[in-house]
Amino acid sequence: DIVLTQSPGTLSLSPGESATLSCRASQSVSSNFLAWFQQKPGQAPRLLIFGASSRATGIPDRFSGSGSGTDFTLTISRLEPEDFAVYYCQQYGYSPTFGQGTKVEIK
Amino acid sequence: QVQLVQSGAEVKKPGASVKVSCKASGYTFTNYDVHWVRQATGQGLEWMGWMNPNSGNTGYAQKFQGRVTMTRNTSISTAYMELSTLRSEDTAVYYCARAWKGGYFDPWGQGTLVTVSS
Repeated sequence: DIVLTQSPGTLSLSPGESATLSCRASQSVSSNFLAWFQQKPGQAPRLLIFGASSRATGIPDRFSGSGSGTDFTLTISRLEPEDFAVYYCQQYGYSPTFGQGTKVEIK
Repeated sequence: QVQLVQSGAEVKKPGASVKVSCKASGYTFTNYDVHWVRQATGQGLEWMGWMNPNSGNTGYAQKFQGRVTMTRNTSISTAYMELSTLRSEDTAVYYCARAWKGGYFDPWGQGTLVTVSS
């Protein structure tokens, strides 16, 4: 199975700042089958990005994804209060796996 | 709108089985695979397996092979996940999710809390 390692574990930032989240895969992710999810307490994960860089329907353009192969990044520019949450990357190839998550918290 | 609605919370004793349902609406149920993911309290997301509602074909994560069964009832657009021989470590929120043709998961059900306790 492909192991996804997210860093950092926690990011402490203020509203208005930018966040850069990393997701590194143990082997190349085929066809850039890499997604990012946002999860708030008590809620199901919400799809933000698929195909490494395509925004899902209704996702604000302050969320952007980039990367290929084994290194992927989620960038959140100008953090809004509602963006403070846990973010997971996922590869959705033959046997999907998730990263362990990055918590974006208010500084 | 596309929606997945799951059954309510369950409390089970160790060794028992649980069956969670996931009712789809707003789209043609048989056109998209359904995946199941679980999340223990305060922990990350763990993929369990998938099912093709049209054919009934399934694929399970190795960790759950022999203990999980995914089925469906196409007449009521509902997918099911049954987990047997429950142990305390199976206490978690269980989610279903629709997979688009590209494979990514969207949307997700609201989650079903399964508590395993004697």
